Amino acid sequence: KAGVTQTPRYLIKTRGQQVTLSCSPISGHRSVSWYQQTPGQGLQFLFEYFSETQRNKGNFPGRFSGRQFSNSRSEMNVSTLELGDSALYLCASSLSYGDIQYFGAGTRLSVL
Amino acid sequence: GNSVTQMEGPVTLSEEAFLTINCTYTATGYPSLFWYVQYPGEGLQLLLKATKADDKGSNKGFEATYRKETTSFHLEKGSVQVSDSAVYFCALILNSGYSTLTFGKGTMLLVSP
Repeated sequence: KAGVTQTPRYLIKTRGQQVTLSCSPISGHRSVSWYQQTPGQGLQFLFEYFSETQRNKGNFPGRFSGRQFSNSRSEMNVSTLELGDSALYLCASSLSYGDIQYFGAGTRLSVL
Repeated sequence: GNSVTQMEGPVTLSEEAFLTINCTYTATGYPSLFWYVQYPGEGLQLLLKATKADDKGSNKGFEATYRKETTSFHLEKGSVQVSDSAVYFCALILNSGYSTLTFGKGTMLLVSP
């Protein structure tokens, strides 16, 4: 069974631009969560989606948004990029909310 | 709120040494506890879990016991290998129906031959 797939693996953007990251969950998994990992703040929760509905949101500004499609694939978008948005963005999927989460390899975003 | 505290690293050991990485937590409800491992350039892999007090999670020689009285979930391994070098994260999730993992800062383990 294929794992969680995140694309692209690496991204370089400049300040002020916008970016979209994609996550394909494990087949059959309906819950997708996103996390930001930085050296200073560690791993922080961004959003949780289940059946195309956002169930929970972390403490991030409105520039960070996401969505989930009917096939459970998810995207997250960051608008008006700032230098501090440079991070590894990790997606995790689970069968349902509250179940064990399995992580993808992440998308490393560098903002110049 | 909820939080996880791990011992700071790096932890440097020789091959075949005994490993302990301490983890304590505070939670507003009754959590499930996890250890995840991250190898360089990769995402997180679930190492082991425990869902209730006194449960022992184990995998690949690693063990951790859910201690409610001390709010701890320390990771142990009897004999580490060079291939165990990685960053280890302790995490909790409240049994509230949400999928929000709260992570510790991570502990880097370096094992030398």
